[in-house]
Amino acid sequence: AQSVSQHNHHVILSEAASLELGCNYSYGGTVNLFWYVQYPGQHLQLLLKYFSGDPLVKGIKGFEAEFIKSKFSFNLRKPSVQWSDTAEYFCAVNAWNNDMRFGAGTRLTVKP
Amino acid sequence: NAGVMQNPRHLVRRRGQEARLRCSPVKGHSHVYWYRQLPEEGLKFMVYLQKENIIDESGMPKERFSAEFPKEGPSILRIQQVVRGDSAAYFCASSPPRGGYEQYFGPGTRLTVT
Repeated sequence: AQSVSQHNHHVILSEAASLELGCNYSYGGTVNLFWYVQYPGQHLQLLLKYFSGDPLVKGIKGFEAEFIKSKFSFNLRKPSVQWSDTAEYFCAVNAWNNDMRFGAGTRLTVKP
Repeated sequence: NAGVMQNPRHLVRRRGQEARLRCSPVKGHSHVYWYRQLPEEGLKFMVYLQKENIIDESGMPKERFSAEFPKEGPSILRIQQVVRGDSAAYFCASSPPRGGYEQYFGPGTRLTVT
């Protein structure tokens, strides 16, 4: 089965700093990739997804992610974070068998 | 256009009691997933079900936990003889019949065992 690792457990940034959260997966075949966000006290919401095509995917709220197949990576980026981006971010992989696997999550704290 | 619904939103049980968590998927979705989120920990996969079938229960504890998704009605996650360590947020998600799609999450049930 596929697995996902997120390198950073907790990231603390100041407003306007740039963000990059790492995500690597292990699976030999074709995958679909996702980033979900969980704001404090809320449920998970889809931030962006990659199925095929352009490996640079743009999502909501200015987030983007790049799929690098050779590195089995799908890192999340944002040029300038805001205090409202404080949340937990989960990377997920679905290998077309509907068996989605999530990473452990990265907690992002943005200081005003 | 209802999303995934979970009830109850909050559940308090005493040690040794049973907890039943319900999940109604998005209309038309035939795949349901249960996850557990513990404080300061990530999202842990528990079980993946289709109607009347358990597809993958590799994340379920071997004892006290069971899940079902009957032909009619919501999916149920059942925890027997709860212990303090079962206190967590339990999230349900659903996806369409075809593979590879994103999962849609419910608001979760926060279980507290006293």
